[in-house]
Amino acid sequence: EVQLVESGGGLVKPGGSLRLSCAASGFTLSSYSMNWVRQAPGKGLKWVSSISSSFTYYADSVKGRFTISRDNAKNSLYLQMNSLRVEDTAVYYCARTLRMTTIDYWGQGTLVTVSS
Amino acid sequence: QSALTQPASVSGSPGQSITISCTGTTSDVGGYNYVSWYQQHPGKAPKLIIYDVSNRPSGVSNHFSGSQSGNTASLTISGLQAEDEADYYCSSYTSSSTLVFGGGTKLTVL
Repeated sequence: EVQLVESGGGLVKPGGSLRLSCAASGFTLSSYSMNWVRQAPGKGLKWVSSISSSFTYYADSVKGRFTISRDNAKNSLYLQMNSLRVEDTAVYYCARTLRMTTIDYWGQGTLVTVSS
Repeated sequence: QSALTQPASVSGSPGQSITISCTGTTSDVGGYNYVSWYQQHPGKAPKLIIYDVSNRPSGVSNHFSGSQSGNTASLTISGLQAEDEADYYCSSYTSSSTLVFGGGTKLTVL
C-alpha cells in the first residue's frame, strides 16, 4: 500500500525557516517524480514544487526561497523553506506523480503557520 | 502560472447529473491530454478520480466521467449521491513541465 507521511510543520515567524519531510512507503521513491502542493486555510490547491530524477521545478511564488530534494536511499522527500512569509501559511501535501503529469497519491498534509 | 478556471459552486439533487468545467489555455489544458480531477472532502487529502482527461483509477466509481474539448475539460457526475458532496479540483500538466490546479468547485447535493 502506498503511504506518504509528512512531518516538520509548525509555527514559525516571518523570515524564518522550516524543513518539511515526507516518508514514502509501499513503492520505490526513485522510480517516481514527486511534488509538494499546498492549500491555504479555506482556499484551493496550489502546486509548489516538483522533482524528477534529474530536474527540479518551482512555482514563481516560492522560487529562490524553497528547495525541494530527495533521498532515495531513505525513501524520503524534503522541502526546505526559507524566508517564510505570512502568505506561505498552508497545509503542505507531499504527492506522488505519474510521468510528471498526474498526482496519483497524496499524504495527509502538514500545517505550516507563519505568524508573528 | 495562472490557475485554471472552475465555477465556484454547483449543486444538484440526488440522482441528477452535474458537470463541472475547467478552462485553461493552449499551454496547459488545450496542449495536452493530461487533465486530472480530484475530490476532496473537508479535512481530508484530495483523491484522484479522473486522469488523462477521461480515465478512472481502479476502484473509482463509474458515475464519474471526464471529457475535453479544446481548452476546456469537464467532469460529469451522474446519479448524484449524498457522499459526492465535496470540493472538486482539476489540474493540468503545463508547457513549463509543471502542474496547475483549478480554483476548485464546491458541489452541494441538495
